[in-house]
Amino acid sequence: LAKTTQPISMDSYEGQEVNITCSHNNIATNDYITWYQQFPSQGPRFIIQGYKTKVTNEVASLFIPADRKSSTLSLPRVSLSDTAVYYCLVGEVDSGAGSYQLTFGKGTKLSVIP
Amino acid sequence: GAVVSQHPSRVICKSGTSVKIECRSLDFQATTMFWYRQFPKQSLMLMATSNEGSKATYEQGVEKDKFLINHASLTLSTLTVTSAHPEDSSFYICSARSYTEAFFGQGTRLTVV
Repeated sequence: LAKTTQPISMDSYEGQEVNITCSHNNIATNDYITWYQQFPSQGPRFIIQGYKTKVTNEVASLFIPADRKSSTLSLPRVSLSDTAVYYCLVGEVDSGAGSYQLTFGKGTKLSVIP
Repeated sequence: GAVVSQHPSRVICKSGTSVKIECRSLDFQATTMFWYRQFPKQSLMLMATSNEGSKATYEQGVEKDKFLINHASLTLSTLTVTSAHPEDSSFYICSARSYTEAFFGQGTRLTVV
């Protein structure tokens, strides 16, 4: 499983755009990149997933360069409720129900300041 | 979207007793579920992979006789912490995959006193 490296923590003011970068130098050809958000005493929640280039949904964007050795989660105009730990995970994803095992790194603790 | 329900959300038990935690996939079938443990201010650590109809696969350092896992159906996996001790106090989280996305339960806060 590819190892990921993220900043331990980040601070941001409300209303700013936040970009969290994750390094995954040994990502494999079949690996996807997935980001999760976790609030204290809750299970992780899926944010976004991508394989290459750019993916955007209603809450975030994910930028993946051509070499796929890193990825950047972009949160537009963060609010206080976005204060959480964000995890970047890399692993193979099958199309059917399978045993895709998720290994969590240390994550990035984002603190949004009023 | 798919939902994974975990019960109970928190439990306090006496040292030496056993506690069972349930994990259900509500609207999809999960042949494989995962159990994680998370200590304060730390990341999730995979404990074991629960396979429907067969024995669970435990990660190195996790005692299989202490953390009993049963995956009796395609929608239910249970984790039983046997003879619990204060050092077993932690946040336990289950997960199941539906196609390309993994879904997590709400977690169970176990406190052993």
